[in-house]
Amino acid sequence: GEDVEQSLFLSVREGDSSVINCTYTDSSSTYLYWYKQEPGAGLQLLTYIFSNMDMKQDQRLTVLLNKKDKHLSLRIADTQTGDSAIYFCAETSSSNTGKLIFGQGTTLQVKP
Amino acid sequence: NAGVTQTPKFQVLKTGQSMTLQCAQDMNHNSMYWYRQDPGMGLRLIYYSASEGTTDKGEVPNGYNVSRLNKREFSLRLESAAPSQTSVYFCASSGGRQWTKNIQYFGAGTRLSVL
Repeated sequence: GEDVEQSLFLSVREGDSSVINCTYTDSSSTYLYWYKQEPGAGLQLLTYIFSNMDMKQDQRLTVLLNKKDKHLSLRIADTQTGDSAIYFCAETSSSNTGKLIFGQGTTLQVKP
Repeated sequence: NAGVTQTPKFQVLKTGQSMTLQCAQDMNHNSMYWYRQDPGMGLRLIYYSASEGTTDKGEVPNGYNVSRLNKREFSLRLESAAPSQTSVYFCASSGGRQWTKNIQYFGAGTRLSVL
């Protein structure tokens, strides 16, 4: 079945780079996504990558996609305390109904 | 532009009580979704509506019902609340010009406690 896996927790120092990893099972996913959830709030789309791309860069964010290994990563350069949040990886469902399959979420803690 | 609006933001129920969570979107999206979020389990889909007039079960539909009242509104009803339904509930919508990308837009959530 469809499944998305993430590690649950990552702690970094302010100014360091953060790398959040995700593995997925559905090789037919068209898009893969990273969402950010700040405390007490809903999820906000951070970035997404089309499945025929290897990399996408957007300011401090770099998304790497390895389709062979079904591995997605999000790198945040120069991590700030404001980046502390839960980050969710998601893939499109193979059922083509618009559904997304979410990972468990990685809590990023940024220490000053 | 409000996006996705959920009401109420917080609710405490006693076991056996019923309630309806409301969700409305102003982005003219066709598809709407209800999720629950529990610690360490990510988001689990309860029900979704691919278009006005249709609803389908998601991963965890037991104990819930939904109504797609019109294109804007999608409500979630708990007929007889149980402590296992204590959770944070999120509504989301997708469609419009970004429909091919399946990007979902989320409300701020409803925090529900069932005692």
